Amino acid sequence: EPEVTQTPSHQVTQMGQEVILRCVPISNHLYFYWYRQILGQKVEFLVSFYNNEISEKSEIFDDQFSVERPDGSNFTLKIRSTKLEDSAMYFCASRVENTGELFFGEGSRLTVL
Amino acid sequence: RKEVEQDPGPFNVPEGATVAFNCTYSNSASQSFFWYRQDCRKEPKLLMSVYSSGNEDGRFTAQLNRASQYISLLIRDSKLSDSATYLCVVNGRGGSQGNLIFGKGTKLSVKP
Repeated sequence: EPEVTQTPSHQVTQMGQEVILRCVPISNHLYFYWYRQILGQKVEFLVSFYNNEISEKSEIFDDQFSVERPDGSNFTLKIRSTKLEDSAMYFCASRVENTGELFFGEGSRLTVL
Repeated sequence: RKEVEQDPGPFNVPEGATVAFNCTYSNSASQSFFWYRQDCRKEPKLLMSVYSSGNEDGRFTAQLNRASQYISLLIRDSKLSDSATYLCVVNGRGGSQGNLIFGKGTKLSVKP
């Protein structure tokens, strides 16, 4: 069964460091997303991406965040200068159309010290 | 008013019990509704979509009341494996498109 894959599964970094989280969406999907979940909190939307550009972003997705689809398969989330409050589980998701089921990866846990 | 609001629980029920979860949403223009399930420290997974006429999938029944902006999930004959957090999910923009907004979830614990 096709799945969304994410790397790394866990990353520990120092405050102020840059972090890149990687995702490989399901191959025939066209819409890509990043969500995050702080421990004990709800799943929060960060950004959606379609046709090689951001289609929507939340207030959380400030200038410290960026996304890129550098080739035909990878979809990355970069945090330029991490803060303690960036510690969370980051989920990549994809779907075929802009409606319907959203398929999530297993997540990348980011710990900022 | 929060975009998607759920009773956080936890709901502690014995095996075989029937349990109901409720959810309210604030965007009256939303047209896509889902229940996702999330196991501890795992990713959310789709349990079922919610249709206007109500829909059933085995032991699970979902209902939608657009006038009240209310969604429900009923689990009959609950199993130990149903223990998880159940997330009410609604699309953020009008119509059926746009990013999905998650409720905080209702935790269910099914005991032997």
